[in-house]
Amino acid sequence: GENVEQHPSTLSVQEGDSAVIKCTYSDSASNYFPWYKQELGKRPQLIIDIRSNVGEKKDQRIAVTLNKTAKHFSLHITETQPEDSAVYFCAASSWGGQGAQKLVFGQGTRLTINP
Amino acid sequence: GAGVSQSPSNKVTEKGKDVELRCDPISGHTALYWYRQSLGQGLEFLIYFQGNSAPDKSGLPSDRFSAERTGGSVSTLTIQRTQQEDSAVYLCASSPGIMAGVGETQYFGPGTRLLVL
Repeated sequence: GENVEQHPSTLSVQEGDSAVIKCTYSDSASNYFPWYKQELGKRPQLIIDIRSNVGEKKDQRIAVTLNKTAKHFSLHITETQPEDSAVYFCAASSWGGQGAQKLVFGQGTRLTINP
Repeated sequence: GAGVSQSPSNKVTEKGKDVELRCDPISGHTALYWYRQSLGQGLEFLIYFQGNSAPDKSGLPSDRFSAERTGGSVSTLTIQRTQQEDSAVYLCASSPGIMAGVGETQYFGPGTRLLVL
């Protein structure tokens, strides 16, 4: 089955700097890669996603890149702000029978923005 | 409109007791998912529903875990004879269920925090 590895587990950056989180996946059939942000005690919230027919997607300060050949994808946050502090999870969509879809998540990255 | 809701928000139970966790998906969403998040860990897939059927039960940790969905809406996750290792946050998510094979956004509920003493 699918396996997703995420690095680093913790990341601390100065406010205004960029943050990069990387994930690798194992199943070449995976074709959907969302990123979720989870603040302490709250539910995961989708921040950006990418499908395997594109290599890059950007939404304001957030961008995601996908390398299908190498089976890795990355989250880039520019001009970081204190409110970006949270745990970030990458995921890969794994397909089962009858169109079943499940997300296989990485272990998460705790991002801290230092003012 | 209303998002995914779950109840109870917190549940404390004694080892060996059964518990039921409830999920109300976004209205009209035919796909519903259960995940488990242990303290400081990632999200672990448990089971998926498309309508009332569960094509993928591969993530259920043991036969003490079961789930059902009736009327294509509300789902219940049942854990029988709870064990301390069952303590976790149980998250439910839903998606429209119309983009099979492409990938849809999954919207998460607030979770049920289960503590087994």
